[in-house]
Formats: sequence, structure tokens, C-alpha cells
Amino acid sequence: NAGVTQTPKFQVLKTGQSMTLQCAQDMNHNSMYWYRQDPGMGLRLIYYSASEGTTDKGEVPNGYNVSRLNKREFSLRLESAAPSQTSVYFCASSFPERTDTQYFGPGTRLTVL
Amino acid sequence: GDSVTQMEGPVTLSEEAFLTINCTYTATGYPSLFWYVQYPGEGLQLLLKATKADDKGSNKGFEATYRKETTSFHLEKGSVQVSDSAVYFCAHTNTGNQFYFGTGTSLTVIP
Repeated sequence: NAGVTQTPKFQVLKTGQSMTLQCAQDMNHNSMYWYRQDPGMGLRLIYYSASEGTTDKGEVPNGYNVSRLNKREFSLRLESAAPSQTSVYFCASSFPERTDTQYFGPGTRLTVL
Repeated sequence: GDSVTQMEGPVTLSEEAFLTINCTYTATGYPSLFWYVQYPGEGLQLLLKATKADDKGSNKGFEATYRKETTSFHLEKGSVQVSDSAVYFCAHTNTGNQFYFGTGTSLTVIP
């Protein structure tokens, strides 16, 4: 039982390049999330998927796209990276009940030059 | 709108000292409240939670009580250890889909 896995762990991009962050969970959770973590700002929700086939914008969706490939996998794409997207990205999953916790992956540290 | 405000860090304590990290929230309805911990280089993991007023969450010697009248969920530990050094996040949710996180409080415990 690996929990939530993310790839890659580290990535350096040049401005304008594109890339996809991958996330997978093996806990049969319905909901999956993408957050970014910036110093002094806590975690901010980028997108979430309440179930397979659905996605919704969070607090900071601009510059990102997501795909819920199947129940296990939820990817985050940066089409044209900008320095403002330098951050640590976390994927999480949960059963979408108000009493349930979210389980987080180890994060991807992205630097955009 | 919904939000979480937690104590600014960093916090530095000596081993065996008493810890309090303050957290207050703004939310509609009756949210569930959480404390998460993040160790260096890792993702967040649940430390404890409380799902209704007056509930006390506890784990690994940490405690927090859901105080609806003061909209607070302060984290406490009677005797901290070096291994407790981490960043602590307070969070709440009404729906299970939209979580609101505080900015995090960094704790360093020195021997």
C-alpha cells in the first residue's frame, strides 16, 4: 500500500516550457486534489476532482490544467511555465466526507527559471 | 469567506517545554477541524482531528479541543521532544472537498 505517489520529485524548467506532474493513489479514494505550497502562504488549492470524470477549480487555477485519468490518477499540467509557478506541489486524496482527512503525497519541488 | 488564522512562527522551545500553537477559524456551519504536521522534505500528514463542538482530538501527546464559542482549535503538548520539530498546519472543511489551511507554524525543539 503505497498511499499517494507523485512524480517527479524535483524539476527545473525554463520559462515557457511545459510539463505534467503525475499523481496516483491506491486507497480507492473518490476525491483527489492539487495544492501548491509557498512560503508564508500555507497550502492553496489549484484544482480538485470529486470523482472520476469531474474536475473543479480551486483558489488558484490560472496557468494550470488537470486530467482525472481514472479513479487512481490525477495529473497537473503547466502549459507554459512562468517563474511565478515556482513552488512545491502536493497531490492529495480522500473520501469526500467532512469528517475524513486528506492523504498527501511527498511533493514535487518545481523551479521555473 | 472561510479561512484559518494560526500563530506566526517560528517557535523555538527547549526539550520538555510546554507547547501551544493558536488557531482560529472562520467558517459557515459546523466544520471539521484538523491539525496536520509536515516533517522536512515530506508531505503533510494528519496529526489529529475533531468533528464537532467540544470534541478533543489527541495523538502522540498532542491535544486540541474544538471550541465553537471562540472558533478556536489550539494545539497543545505538555512536553515537547526534539522529534516534534516540524511545521504544523491548522485546517478546516465543511464539505470534505474544500479544505482551508493556515499558513503553518514552524517548531524547532532544542535539546
